[in-house]
Amino acid sequence: DSGVTQTPKHLITATGQRVTLRCSPRSGDLSVYWYQQSLDQGLQFLIQYYNGEERAKGNILERFSAQQFPDLHSELNLSSLELGDSALYFCASSPPGTGLQYFGPGTRLTVT
Amino acid sequence: DQQVKQNSPSLSVQEGRISILNCDYTNSMFDYFLWYKKYPAEGPTFLISISSIKDKNEDGRFTVFLNKSAKHLSLHIVPSQPGDSAVYFCAGSANAGGTSYGKLTFGQGTILTVHP
Repeated sequence: DSGVTQTPKHLITATGQRVTLRCSPRSGDLSVYWYQQSLDQGLQFLIQYYNGEERAKGNILERFSAQQFPDLHSELNLSSLELGDSALYFCASSPPGTGLQYFGPGTRLTVT
Repeated sequence: DQQVKQNSPSLSVQEGRISILNCDYTNSMFDYFLWYKKYPAEGPTFLISISSIKDKNEDGRFTVFLNKSAKHLSLHIVPSQPGDSAVYFCAGSANAGGTSYGKLTFGQGTILTVHP
């Protein structure tokens, strides 16, 4: 158990819909990162937040957005969903001053 | 632009022998490298890491070697056990300044199978 929690574990929805994935970082970690793992791709970085502020963006689609709240939990919002958005979505958190990232169990999103 | 490459998609090893997983990188800004173990539909589990100021780091059965001039790192598992069978990812990271490190850039992974 990494200490990073993600909900829900599984999500099945239809094309065009909007979903919200939730992540709670480990106690004391200020950085939260979101990654996507598609069927034929490795882990791709989406976005990073540090203590409530956006720090870096990867190849995140404009239909996707995220935020980090004052209690440091983070949400990833995916809208106008397409079949190709079906993937595993992981969040990770990192202790201050280290490059080590601890990953949550992931949310499996299936778009039908 | 694949900045981290794991050129062996799979590796098969006999129990008790050494497993060597390799990883190459191109980004000179990386100063921290990590290895993760992953099972299907689960999150990556951190195994071992190494800073660019070192060339070796050891933790139990796991040793990571870093050759900066060749931009190459490897993970040695000795002795290999059937429970080590999983997908192994290497990743590189660059210090983004201050107290925050940047994203992890992952290789494509190597499937390790350890036969009893």
